[in-house]
Amino acid sequence: NAGVTQTPKFQVLKTGQSMTLQCAQDMNHNSMYWYRQDPGMGLRLIYYSASEGTTDKGEVPNGYNVSRLNKREFSLRLESAAPSQTSVYFCASSLPRGGGNQPQHFGDGTRLSIL
Amino acid sequence: AQSVTQPDIHITVSEGASLELRCNYSYGATPYLFWYVQSPGQGLQLLLKYFSGDTLVQGIKGFEAEFKRSQSSFNLRKPSVHWSDAAEYFCAVGETSYDKVIFGPGTSLSVIP
Repeated sequence: NAGVTQTPKFQVLKTGQSMTLQCAQDMNHNSMYWYRQDPGMGLRLIYYSASEGTTDKGEVPNGYNVSRLNKREFSLRLESAAPSQTSVYFCASSLPRGGGNQPQHFGDGTRLSIL
Repeated sequence: AQSVTQPDIHITVSEGASLELRCNYSYGATPYLFWYVQSPGQGLQLLLKYFSGDTLVQGIKGFEAEFKRSQSSFNLRKPSVHWSDAAEYFCAVGETSYDKVIFGPGTSLSVIP
């Protein structure tokens, strides 16, 4: 029972490099999310996907793109990494659209440093 | 706009002592409320949730929370803290129109023997 799996767990990039963070869930959830966590700021929503084929911007989408590849997978891409994107990134998923009343299940995070 | 505040950035308690973590929210309608816990190096885990009904909700690991509409609060409590409870705790409010959740900034809990 894997739940939400994120890869990689750690990554160091140089400014301007690109990379894709992968996320997969095996709980048959429709909704998936990408957050970033920074000290003292809690979790801030980058993008979310209510269902396969749909994505919407969250609170801090600039500098990121996402792809909902299928129901299981939701990837986050940094096209040109900047030091301000150094953070811990979490992927989460939840049951079908329930108006915000469904708890979210989180992966263990990707710790990304940009030099 | 919805918002969540957790007034205490960091709390230290002795093992065996009682605990209360504060959470206040700003939301127009009846909110969906959650408490999550994050152990070092891990993702968030749901402790408990409130949707409607009884304002005192029980969660995992011996935690409980009380919803007080008049105070716009949803404080988390535990009668006797264990060393393994040391972690970061996040309060969150769910939006009724979307599948999105607003998280508070978190409270870091340290437990001393």
